[in-house]
Amino acid sequence: GAGVSQSPRYKVAKRGQDVALRCDPISGHVSLFWYQQALGQGPEFLTYFQNEAQLDKSGLPSDRFFAERPEGSVSTLKIQRTQQEDSAVYLCASSSGDRGLSSSYTFGSGTRLTVV
Amino acid sequence: AQKITQTQPGMFVQEKEAVTLDCTYDTSDPSYGLFWYKQPSSGEMIFLIYQGSYDQQNATEGRYSLNFQKARKSANLVISASQLGDSAMYFCAMRGQLNTDRLIFGTGTRLQVFP
Repeated sequence: GAGVSQSPRYKVAKRGQDVALRCDPISGHVSLFWYQQALGQGPEFLTYFQNEAQLDKSGLPSDRFFAERPEGSVSTLKIQRTQQEDSAVYLCASSSGDRGLSSSYTFGSGTRLTVV
Repeated sequence: AQKITQTQPGMFVQEKEAVTLDCTYDTSDPSYGLFWYKQPSSGEMIFLIYQGSYDQQNATEGRYSLNFQKARKSANLVISASQLGDSAMYFCAMRGQLNTDRLIFGTGTRLQVFP
């Protein structure tokens, strides 16, 4: 598609519920990133895929967070047993795969998750 | 470790005036890149400008310019001729040579442009 598409745009989950957030990157982009943006903060790195391979998941805050990209395009970020501190905007970004310093990402509009 | 500091939580500027948004950084990487992103209320992060640590000249992109002072470890964004549509959050970010897989962001500055 023309841009990075994320769904749902908003998600309200009861504490303890599992959620799945979807990211549809720009067609042909091999690199895909997930970031978490808490209220009033800058985005923080969660995980990175190169095609279907998850090359870095060091930013995932706990083992309740799981991300996959099975066919190297669409990605899903899953959060199990949600807790209130998981409330944040989850941003997805994609890039062409150039890992140079100047490589810029295209971000989606994010999914705002509220855990009540 | 890498760190980005943005000390201005909010800035106001009158339409058509210039404004400078501050950014300082800390890194031990010998080579790094610095970015500025704009985040309007719709939520997406929009890339504005990039500066490489070894670039000889300050980067410019239309009304955006980056005042890069390597010795001071600062990378301030200058927006000239502000427009009402410039009202948004602005984030400074960096990527280091030793870990090119992630961007490190600051906490952002909210810019409000008034008529």
